[in-house]
Amino acid sequence: AQSVTQLGSHVSVSEGALVLLRCNYSSSVPPYLFWYVQYPNQGLQLLLKYTSAATLVKGINGFEAEFKKSETSFHLTKPSAHMSDAAEYFCAVTDSGGGADGLTFGKGTHLIIQP
Amino acid sequence: DTAVSQTPKYLVTQMGNDKSIKCEQNLGHDTMYWYKQDSKKFLKIMFSYNNKELIINETVPNRFSPKSPDKAHLNLHINSLELGDSAVYFCASSLMGQYGYTFGSGTRLTVV
Repeated sequence: AQSVTQLGSHVSVSEGALVLLRCNYSSSVPPYLFWYVQYPNQGLQLLLKYTSAATLVKGINGFEAEFKKSETSFHLTKPSAHMSDAAEYFCAVTDSGGGADGLTFGKGTHLIIQP
Repeated sequence: DTAVSQTPKYLVTQMGNDKSIKCEQNLGHDTMYWYKQDSKKFLKIMFSYNNKELIINETVPNRFSPKSPDKAHLNLHINSLELGDSAVYFCASSLMGQYGYTFGSGTRLTVV
């Protein structure tokens, strides 16, 4: 079984500061990992994904994440926060078994950007 | 051009009614899903379906049933709606589950 833990249900940073959203996973097989963003009253938008290629993954809107197998982590970072980054962020995991199990999501982190 | 579209966007209905939510994808993906997002924003898979196999999350009441007329559609039927069914329901699709999952914009169901 797979699981995802997102540390911090709310994270607040100042505009221009570093954004760090934490995600740890548990998987009995090599995982595929994803970060999604959800803006208020909208659907889920894929930020980036790790699918066993490069461990440092670059995504949209200046976000990136690094897969660290030894730490079972896939933390999301952005060097400089923008007001438009305020949203809910979800880390998700799946195995490579063909998609039947779908994604298992973390509980989400609400990112607040202070002016 | 919408990749995964679901209708309606909002659905308000009374307890005990039966309702359906429709989902269509034009990505050529082989697997479709339904997720439920509760009031705390937690996302939980309800069903996954490809042309060979339906997998049901064991915690989903049997009042919920997916229906797939073809590979591009996966509709969600809900019988005897209860207050606790109020949530946002997302349809999604993927290609072999590995290359990204595309989500619809969600259906906000309110049971009164």
